[in-house]
Amino acid sequence: NAGVTQTPKFRVLKTGQSMTLLCAQDMNHEYMYWYRQDPGMGLRLIHYSVGEGTTAKGEVPDGYNVSRLKKQNFLLGLESAAPSQTSVYFCASSSGLAGGQQFFGPGTRLTVL
Amino acid sequence: RKEVEQDPGPFNVPEGATVAFNCTYSNSASQSFFWYRQDCRKEPKLLMSVYSSGNEDGRFTAQLNRASQYISLLIRDSKLSDSATYLCVVGTGGFKTIFGAGTRLFVKA
Repeated sequence: NAGVTQTPKFRVLKTGQSMTLLCAQDMNHEYMYWYRQDPGMGLRLIHYSVGEGTTAKGEVPDGYNVSRLKKQNFLLGLESAAPSQTSVYFCASSSGLAGGQQFFGPGTRLTVL
Repeated sequence: RKEVEQDPGPFNVPEGATVAFNCTYSNSASQSFFWYRQDCRKEPKLLMSVYSSGNEDGRFTAQLNRASQYISLLIRDSKLSDSATYLCVVGTGGFKTIFGAGTRLFVKA
């Protein structure tokens, strides 16, 4: 039982490049989330999904897109990376919205030059 | 004003000490409350949920004060392994879960 996994763990991009971050969970959770964490700030929600085929915007969605084609996978895309997107990205999953425990992946450290 | 505020610390305490953190939240309609622990360069992990009646898990005690809109975490008999960042998390219903920026704790030998 791997829980929540993320790939890649590290990535360096040049401004304007694109990439996709993959999150996978094996707990059969309905809800999945993408957060970013920056120094001195709390985790901020980028996008979330309440089930297969559904996605919704969180607090800081601009510059990101997501897809949830399979229940176990949640993809985060950066179409044209900017230095402001340098951050640590965490994926999480839960069996319920807000009121329950969220399980986090190990994170992806992204640097945009 | 941030929706969830924490003292960033760092709190530097000797082993065996008792240390307490507070966290204030601005939305009086908040429904769920948690403390997460995050080790350096790792993902956050749930430490404990916070219930209206307060709850205890070993050396850790969490309290909720709805009237003053804050939650607290008390750690007794601190261990070196308690060194981490402690995140206050508040849920307001729906998808909205707000994470505080965290309080850093260093426990010294």
